[in-house]
Amino acid sequence: NAGVTQTPKFQVLKTGQSMTLQCAQDMNHEYMSWYRQDPGMGLRLIHYSVGAGITDQGEVPNGYNVSRSTTEDFPLRLLSAAPSQTSVYFCASSYAISNYGYTFGSGTRLTVV
Amino acid sequence: KNQVEQSPQSLIILEGKNCTLQCNYTVSPFSNLRWYKQDTGRGPVSLTIMTFSENTKSNGRYTATLDADTKQSSLHITASQLSDSASYICVVSAGGNKLVFGAGTILRVKS
Repeated sequence: NAGVTQTPKFQVLKTGQSMTLQCAQDMNHEYMSWYRQDPGMGLRLIHYSVGAGITDQGEVPNGYNVSRSTTEDFPLRLLSAAPSQTSVYFCASSYAISNYGYTFGSGTRLTVV
Repeated sequence: KNQVEQSPQSLIILEGKNCTLQCNYTVSPFSNLRWYKQDTGRGPVSLTIMTFSENTKSNGRYTATLDADTKQSSLHITASQLSDSASYICVVSAGGNKLVFGAGTILRVKS
């Protein structure tokens, strides 16, 4: 049982480049979400999904895009990377949207130069 | 404004000692409060989840308390081990996926 798998673990991008952060879970969780973690701050929600085909914006969605074509996968796309998107990104999944603990991936450390 | 404040920011203790981490929140409405442990370079791992009616919950050497009246929670670690070195994050749920994360307390356990 792998849990939540994120790839890549590290990435360096140039300003303006695009890329996709991958997230996959094998627990048949309906709820999946993306967070970013910046120094000295709590995690902030970027986008989330309550099931295949359903996505919605979180607190800080600008510059990011998501899709959910299967229960297992929830990729995060950076459309045109900016230095302000330098952060550590975490994917999380849960059995349902509320009242259940989240399982987090091990994170992707992204640097935009 | 919904906020979660954790104290201290960082803490160093000797192996075998106990410690208590604090969490104060101003989140409304309140659904539940969670404590997570985050090892360096890893994602957060859930320690406890407490609802309004629960005032104590334990997970091994970790004991969380909740005072919903004063909007305070604490995480007590007993007989600390080197492996307890991590960031401890308090998270308050306002229902649904409205989670408010604290910035965390960094704990270092020295031998």
